[in-house]
Amino acid sequence: SAVISQKPSRDICQRGTSLTIQCQVDSQVTMMFWYRQQPGQSLTLIATANQGSEATYESGFVIDKFPISRPNLTFSTLTVSNMSPEDSSIYLCSVGRGSSGANVLTFGAGSRLTVL
Amino acid sequence: GESVGLHLPTLSVQEGDNSIINCAYSNSASDYFIWYKQESGKGPQFIIDIRSNMDKRQGQRVTVLLNKTVKHLSLQIAATQPGDSAVYFCAETTTQAGTALIFGKGTTLSVSS
Repeated sequence: SAVISQKPSRDICQRGTSLTIQCQVDSQVTMMFWYRQQPGQSLTLIATANQGSEATYESGFVIDKFPISRPNLTFSTLTVSNMSPEDSSIYLCSVGRGSSGANVLTFGAGSRLTVL
Repeated sequence: GESVGLHLPTLSVQEGDNSIINCAYSNSASDYFIWYKQESGKGPQFIIDIRSNMDKRQGQRVTVLLNKTVKHLSLQIAATQPGDSAVYFCAETTTQAGTALIFGKGTTLSVSS
């Protein structure tokens, strides 16, 4: 399965600032998925990112707050904009098994953000 | 009386016991189910999967049971070890390409020696 590297692994941010999380995959993948995991909670899908097209956002998540880039088949970024303490979460990048499709997802270790 | 397959947020067992973790899924259209294990500070890791045309699948020390009638999944871990301590999530999706995973509530398994 793919190996996913996320940066930063953790950060402490000030209210009102923005932070960009990077996700690098060691193989080409069509679809990448960004999830949020709030403290002690399950994973919630933020958006699906296809290379060459706009990301598709889930209900409750908007592009202005969570802009996503997908410049090529091995890389994506998620920006958390104008952060508030409620944005303190682990943000996880994932990819589907194989070069297309989703189904079984492999996850990065996540980026743990704390907003003060 | 107690509901069959009640989801519990935490489960504590002794080393060597068998563990059963339950999960309810929501979408009748889901036809593919996966169990993930998440250790502290790590992303979720794949444990075992099952398609809707099966009701049981076995792996190494783990068994997944699927009851489509009541939309219920369970994960059985045989001879639980301290290294099994983690949060376990079930996830549902479809076999249609491009469908993301929807995660259920997690269960924290604590194994004591």
